[in-house]
Amino acid sequence: ETGVTQSPTHLIKTRGQQVTLRCSSQSGHNTVSWYQQALGQGPQFIFQYYREEENGRGNFPPRFSGLQFPNYSSELNVNALELDDSALYLCASSLAGDNEQFFGPGTRLTVL
Amino acid sequence: AQRVTQPEKLLSVFKGAPVELKCNYSYSGSPELFWYVQYSRQRLQLLLRHISRESIKGFTADLNKGETSFHLKKPFAQEEDSAMYYCALFRRGSQGNLIFGKGTKLSVKP
Repeated sequence: ETGVTQSPTHLIKTRGQQVTLRCSSQSGHNTVSWYQQALGQGPQFIFQYYREEENGRGNFPPRFSGLQFPNYSSELNVNALELDDSALYLCASSLAGDNEQFFGPGTRLTVL
Repeated sequence: AQRVTQPEKLLSVFKGAPVELKCNYSYSGSPELFWYVQYSRQRLQLLLRHISRESIKGFTADLNKGETSFHLKKPFAQEEDSAMYYCALFRRGSQGNLIFGKGTKLSVKP
């Protein structure tokens, strides 16, 4: 069984740029959720994808967008980066109907 | 509002001492609660969920609906228990997702 993987591990961008983060779900999982974890905080829900569609969204602006592909992998895109976007971005996969989520190692994004 | 509160940022105990990590929640409806743990340089992983009522690595947690709490306990702490612990509440509905507390760092001293 393959766990959740994320790429890249680290990323440095400047304000105003755009970034794409990637996630491969655990084998057999069809639902992917994205979380933002700022320093010293718990993870905060960004959105969730199921069957290639956004299935729920947290309190994040539209410049945070995503995709899910037929193989259940997912991307998180952030446009017009701001300094406050600096955080660890976590991807979690699950099976629809089961509330247990399995997390990837995260992508550390630094915005300068 | 749906919320998870972990009142302690840091909890320091000696090896062999009992440990209790506090978690309080606010949720209208029947809650589903989890404890996640993050060891140094490792990913966030599930420690236990209240519906399974299992004991993992000697940890237990009981859901107290009257006090809206889900405290994590272990009778004898080990050095390898040192980690960040996050309490999380599953929010049902179209936005089914986890609401996390800010976490408690547990430090077990030899």
